Amino acid sequence: GAGVSQSPSNKVTEKGKDVELRCDPISGHTALYWYRQSLGQGLEFLIYFQGNSAPDKSGLPSDRFSAERTGGSVSTLTIQRTQQEDSAVYLCASSQGWGAGEKLFFGSGTQLSVL
Amino acid sequence: GESVGLHLPTLSVQEGDNSIINCAYSNSASDYFIWYKQESGKGPQFIIDIRSNMDKRQGQRVTVLLNKTVKHLSLQIAATQPGDSAVYFCAEKTTGRRALTFGSGTRLQVQP
Repeated sequence: GAGVSQSPSNKVTEKGKDVELRCDPISGHTALYWYRQSLGQGLEFLIYFQGNSAPDKSGLPSDRFSAERTGGSVSTLTIQRTQQEDSAVYLCASSQGWGAGEKLFFGSGTQLSVL
Repeated sequence: GESVGLHLPTLSVQEGDNSIINCAYSNSASDYFIWYKQESGKGPQFIIDIRSNMDKRQGQRVTVLLNKTVKHLSLQIAATQPGDSAVYFCAEKTTGRRALTFGSGTRLQVQP
Protein backbone atom coordinates (compact mmCIF):
# COMPACT_ATOMS: atom_id res chain seq x y z
CA GLY A 1 0.00 0.00 0.00
CA ALA A 2 0.88 3.66 -0.21
CA GLY A 3 1.20 4.19 3.52
CA VAL A 4 1.51 2.41 6.84
CA SER A 5 -1.64 0.46 7.58
CA GLN A 6 -2.78 -0.48 11.07
CA SER A 7 -5.63 -2.64 12.22
CA PRO A 8 -7.95 -2.52 13.95
CA SER A 9 -8.43 1.23 14.15
CA ASN A 10 -10.28 0.81 17.43
CA LYS A 11 -10.21 -2.00 19.95
CA VAL A 12 -12.24 -2.25 23.13
CA THR A 13 -11.38 -5.08 25.47
CA GLU A 14 -11.94 -6.21 29.01
CA LYS A 15 -9.26 -6.11 31.64
CA GLY A 16 -7.30 -9.35 31.66
CA LYS A 17 -7.87 -10.22 28.00
CA ASP A 18 -5.11 -10.46 25.39
CA VAL A 19 -5.06 -8.21 22.32
CA GLU A 20 -3.16 -8.25 19.05
CA LEU A 21 -2.49 -5.14 17.01
CA ARG A 22 -1.33 -5.35 13.44
CA CYS A 23 0.95 -3.13 11.36
CA ASP A 24 1.62 -3.34 7.65
CA PRO A 25 4.55 -1.04 6.82
CA ILE A 26 5.35 0.75 3.59
CA SER A 27 6.64 -1.70 1.03
CA GLY A 28 10.43 -1.76 0.95
CA HIS A 29 10.90 -0.14 4.34
CA THR A 30 13.24 -2.23 6.42
CA ALA A 31 12.75 -0.46 9.73
CA LEU A 32 9.56 -0.72 11.77
CA TYR A 33 8.71 0.99 15.06
CA TRP A 34 5.94 0.76 17.62
CA TYR A 35 5.11 3.78 19.76
CA ARG A 36 2.41 4.35 22.35
CA GLN A 37 0.59 7.64 22.81
CA SER A 38 -1.45 8.26 25.92
CA LEU A 39 -4.13 10.95 25.90
CA GLY A 40 -2.57 14.38 25.52
CA GLN A 41 0.93 13.00 25.72
CA GLY A 42 3.89 12.57 23.42
CA LEU A 43 4.95 9.34 21.83
CA GLU A 44 6.57 6.67 23.95
CA PHE A 45 8.93 4.31 22.14
CA LEU A 46 8.14 0.62 22.55
CA ILE A 47 10.11 -1.51 20.11
CA TYR A 48 12.14 -1.28 16.90
CA PHE A 49 12.82 -3.80 14.14
CA GLN A 50 15.56 -3.38 11.54
CA GLY A 51 15.91 -6.00 8.86
CA ASN A 52 17.11 -9.30 10.27
CA SER A 53 18.76 -7.74 13.31
CA ALA A 54 17.60 -8.51 16.82
CA PRO A 55 14.81 -6.09 17.74
CA ASP A 56 15.39 -3.27 20.19
CA LYS A 57 12.87 -4.04 22.93
CA SER A 58 14.15 -1.47 25.38
CA GLY A 59 10.91 0.50 25.42
CA LEU A 60 8.50 -2.30 26.25
CA PRO A 61 6.93 -1.39 29.62
CA SER A 62 6.47 -4.92 30.93
CA ASP A 63 6.75 -8.57 29.96
CA ARG A 64 3.05 -8.49 29.07
CA PHE A 65 4.08 -6.68 25.89
CA SER A 66 5.68 -8.47 22.97
CA ALA A 67 6.01 -7.93 19.24
CA GLU A 68 7.14 -9.86 16.26
CA ARG A 69 7.76 -9.12 12.63
CA THR A 70 7.30 -11.93 10.20
CA GLY A 71 9.11 -12.06 6.89
CA GLY A 72 10.51 -8.61 7.42
CA SER A 73 7.17 -7.00 6.71
CA VAL A 74 4.00 -7.23 8.81
CA SER A 75 4.34 -6.78 12.55
CA THR A 76 2.06 -7.76 15.41
CA LEU A 77 2.12 -6.15 18.85
CA THR A 78 0.62 -8.39 21.53
CA ILE A 79 -0.49 -7.24 24.96
CA GLN A 80 -1.32 -10.04 27.37
CA ARG A 81 -3.59 -9.70 30.38
CA THR A 82 -4.46 -6.12 29.50
CA GLN A 83 -4.72 -3.50 32.24
CA GLN A 84 -6.58 -0.21 32.22
CA GLU A 85 -3.30 1.69 32.08
CA ASP A 86 -2.64 0.04 28.72
CA SER A 87 -5.38 2.20 27.21
CA ALA A 88 -3.72 4.43 24.60
CA VAL A 89 -3.20 4.88 20.89
CA TYR A 90 -0.64 2.44 19.56
CA LEU A 91 1.20 3.86 16.57
CA CYS A 92 3.31 1.98 14.09
CA ALA A 93 5.87 3.65 11.85
CA SER A 94 8.28 2.51 9.19
CA SER A 95 11.34 4.01 7.55
CA GLN A 96 13.81 3.15 4.88
CA GLY A 97 16.18 1.90 7.50
CA TRP A 98 19.25 2.58 9.52
CA GLY A 99 21.60 5.00 7.84
CA ALA A 100 19.22 5.60 4.98
CA GLY A 101 17.08 8.20 6.62
CA GLU A 102 15.45 8.56 9.98
CA LYS A 103 12.22 9.97 8.59
CA LEU A 104 9.44 7.88 10.05
CA PHE A 105 6.11 7.41 8.33
CA PHE A 106 3.31 6.72 10.77
CA GLY A 107 0.06 4.85 10.49
CA SER A 108 -3.16 6.24 11.95
CA GLY A 109 -2.84 4.06 15.02
CA THR A 110 -5.01 1.67 16.97
CA GLN A 111 -7.04 3.21 19.78
CA LEU A 112 -7.04 0.63 22.57
CA SER A 113 -9.55 0.96 25.37
CA VAL A 114 -9.34 -1.45 28.30
CA LEU A 115 -12.50 -1.51 30.41
CA GLY B 1 17.96 11.47 31.96
CA GLU B 2 17.50 13.06 28.61
CA SER B 3 14.30 14.79 27.69
CA VAL B 4 12.71 16.72 24.92
CA GLY B 5 10.09 19.23 25.96
CA LEU B 6 8.04 22.15 24.75
CA HIS B 7 7.63 25.58 26.31
CA LEU B 8 3.95 26.16 25.42
CA PRO B 9 1.25 23.54 25.52
CA THR B 10 -1.21 25.62 23.45
CA LEU B 11 -0.59 28.37 20.93
CA SER B 12 -3.43 30.41 19.46
CA VAL B 13 -2.79 32.59 16.41
CA GLN B 14 -4.80 34.53 13.88
CA GLU B 15 -5.06 33.27 10.35
CA GLY B 16 -2.33 34.85 8.25
CA ASP B 17 0.01 35.47 11.17
CA ASN B 18 3.30 33.69 11.60
CA SER B 19 3.54 30.97 14.25
CA ILE B 20 6.55 29.97 16.27
CA ILE B 21 6.59 26.72 18.21
CA ASN B 22 9.49 26.14 20.56
CA CYS B 23 11.20 23.05 21.85
CA ALA B 24 14.01 22.50 24.34
CA TYR B 25 16.17 19.43 24.52
CA SER B 26 18.63 18.34 27.16
CA ASN B 27 20.85 15.82 25.42
CA SER B 28 23.86 17.64 23.99
CA ALA B 29 24.68 14.53 21.96
CA SER B 30 21.46 14.83 19.94
CA ASP B 31 22.40 15.21 16.30
CA TYR B 32 19.14 14.94 14.43
CA PHE B 33 15.88 16.79 15.01
CA ILE B 34 12.52 16.48 13.39
CA TRP B 35 9.12 18.13 13.56
CA TYR B 36 5.86 16.26 13.17
CA LYS B 37 2.29 17.47 12.81
CA GLN B 38 -0.55 15.41 14.18
CA GLU B 39 -4.16 16.08 13.30
CA SER B 40 -6.98 14.62 15.30
CA GLY B 41 -7.41 10.90 14.72
CA LYS B 42 -4.33 10.61 12.53
CA GLY B 43 -0.76 9.55 12.97
CA PRO B 44 2.05 12.12 13.07
CA GLN B 45 3.05 13.52 9.71
CA PHE B 46 6.59 14.60 8.87
CA ILE B 47 7.08 18.35 8.43
CA ILE B 48 10.78 19.10 8.38
CA ASP B 49 14.05 17.87 9.82
CA ILE B 50 17.49 19.27 10.54
CA ARG B 51 20.86 17.84 11.43
CA SER B 52 23.11 19.27 14.10
CA ASN B 53 25.63 20.57 11.57
CA MET B 54 23.02 23.09 10.42
CA ASP B 55 21.30 25.94 12.25
CA LYS B 56 18.49 26.65 9.82
CA ARG B 57 16.51 24.80 7.25
CA GLN B 58 13.57 25.99 5.18
CA GLY B 59 10.68 24.18 3.62
CA GLN B 60 7.43 25.28 2.13
CA ARG B 61 6.08 27.90 4.58
CA VAL B 62 8.06 26.29 7.39
CA THR B 63 11.48 26.99 8.83
CA VAL B 64 13.30 25.09 11.54
CA LEU B 65 15.94 26.85 13.61
CA LEU B 66 18.45 25.03 15.77
CA ASN B 67 20.47 26.69 18.50
CA LYS B 68 22.87 24.11 19.87
CA THR B 69 24.37 26.52 22.37
CA VAL B 70 21.16 26.69 24.37
CA LYS B 71 19.77 23.37 23.11
CA HIS B 72 16.72 24.97 21.56
CA LEU B 73 14.72 24.13 18.48
CA SER B 74 11.91 26.11 16.90
CA LEU B 75 9.42 25.66 14.11
CA GLN B 76 8.23 28.73 12.28
CA ILE B 77 5.11 28.59 10.13
CA ALA B 78 4.56 31.50 7.80
CA ALA B 79 1.09 32.82 6.99
CA THR B 80 -0.63 30.31 9.25
CA GLN B 81 -3.76 28.76 7.80
CA PRO B 82 -6.71 26.97 9.45
CA GLY B 83 -5.35 23.70 8.05
CA ASP B 84 -2.26 24.19 10.20
CA SER B 85 -4.32 23.61 13.33
CA ALA B 86 -2.91 20.47 14.92
CA VAL B 87 -0.55 19.24 17.61
CA TYR B 88 3.11 19.70 16.76
CA PHE B 89 5.82 17.45 18.16
CA CYS B 90 9.54 17.89 18.12
CA ALA B 91 11.70 14.80 18.30
CA GLU B 92 15.38 14.14 18.57
CA LYS B 93 17.75 11.33 17.87
CA THR B 94 21.31 10.57 18.72
CA THR B 95 23.65 8.59 16.48
CA GLY B 96 23.79 5.11 17.93
CA ARG B 97 20.26 5.20 19.27
CA ARG B 98 17.62 3.62 17.16
CA ALA B 99 14.51 5.50 18.14
CA LEU B 100 13.32 9.07 18.04
CA THR B 101 12.55 10.65 21.42
CA PHE B 102 9.44 12.80 21.25
CA GLY B 103 8.39 15.83 23.23
CA SER B 104 4.90 16.16 24.70
CA GLY B 105 3.51 18.37 21.93
CA THR B 106 2.10 21.86 21.39
CA ARG B 107 -1.42 22.43 20.17
CA LEU B 108 -1.67 25.14 17.51
CA GLN B 109 -5.08 26.76 17.15
CA VAL B 110 -5.61 29.03 14.17
CA GLN B 111 -8.39 31.56 14.59
CA PRO B 112 -10.15 32.67 11.38
